[in-house]
Amino acid sequence: AQSVTQLGSHVSVSEGALVLLRCNYSSSVPPYLFWYVQYPNQGLQLLLKYTTGATLVKGINGFEAEFKKSETSFHLTKPSAHMSDAAEYFCAVSAIINEKLTFGTGTRLTIIP
Amino acid sequence: DAGVIQSPRHEVTEMGQEVTLRCKPISGHDYLFWYRQTMMRGLELLIYFNNNVPIDDSGMPEDRFSAKMPNASFSTLKIQPSEPRDSAVYFCASSLRTVSEAFFGQGTRLTVV
Repeated sequence: AQSVTQLGSHVSVSEGALVLLRCNYSSSVPPYLFWYVQYPNQGLQLLLKYTTGATLVKGINGFEAEFKKSETSFHLTKPSAHMSDAAEYFCAVSAIINEKLTFGTGTRLTIIP
Repeated sequence: DAGVIQSPRHEVTEMGQEVTLRCKPISGHDYLFWYRQTMMRGLELLIYFNNNVPIDDSGMPEDRFSAKMPNASFSTLKIQPSEPRDSAVYFCASSLRTVSEAFFGQGTRLTVV
C-alpha cells in the first residue's frame, strides 16, 4: 500500500519569498508521485508528476519538485511566491501494481503581500 | 474535450432522501475515481473503476453508498438514505492511466439537512 504525509497543514510566505511544501511518501514498490493544486471552489489540477527518469521535475507556474528516494520525499518548491499561488496543494502517490491514486491531507498556502 | 463533467454542482437534500451524483469522464479515459472532500477528513478515495469495472471500493463508507459505471461515458454515486454527515464535496476524476494526469471535475457540493 502507498501513503503520503504532508507536513504542515498551513504555510504562509511573503510575496517573492521561497515556497517549500513538504511531502513524504511510503511505498513498498517504486512510486509515482504527483502534486496537485486546488483553487477555491475548483477541482484539483495537476502541477507536476514524477514517474521515472530525472528526479527533478518541473511543472506549471514555476513549481518544481525533487524525488529523493533515500529520504522518501517529494517536496514542492517555487523560488518566488506570487499572490496567485494562494491555494491548497496536495501530494499524491500511486504505483504500477496498485493503481489507486492516494492523496495527502493537503497544505493550504497563504501569500502575505 | 469539455473535461470531466459532474452534475449537479450543488445539491441540498433532507436526511433520509436518496441522492444521485453523476459524472461524465473524459472520452477515452479508462480510469474513473470518486473522491469525497471534507474539512475533517480531507480528500478520500471512495471507489475507482477501470474499464467500467469497480476495482477497489474499500473507501466506500457504508452500504448506504453505491457506485455504478454502466458504460465508459457515465458513472453515478448514490447515497440512500442520506445523512447529515454525508455533507461534503464529491469529486469525480478520470485518467488514461494513473501514471497520467487525473482530470477532476468541479465537484458536487452536497448538503444534507
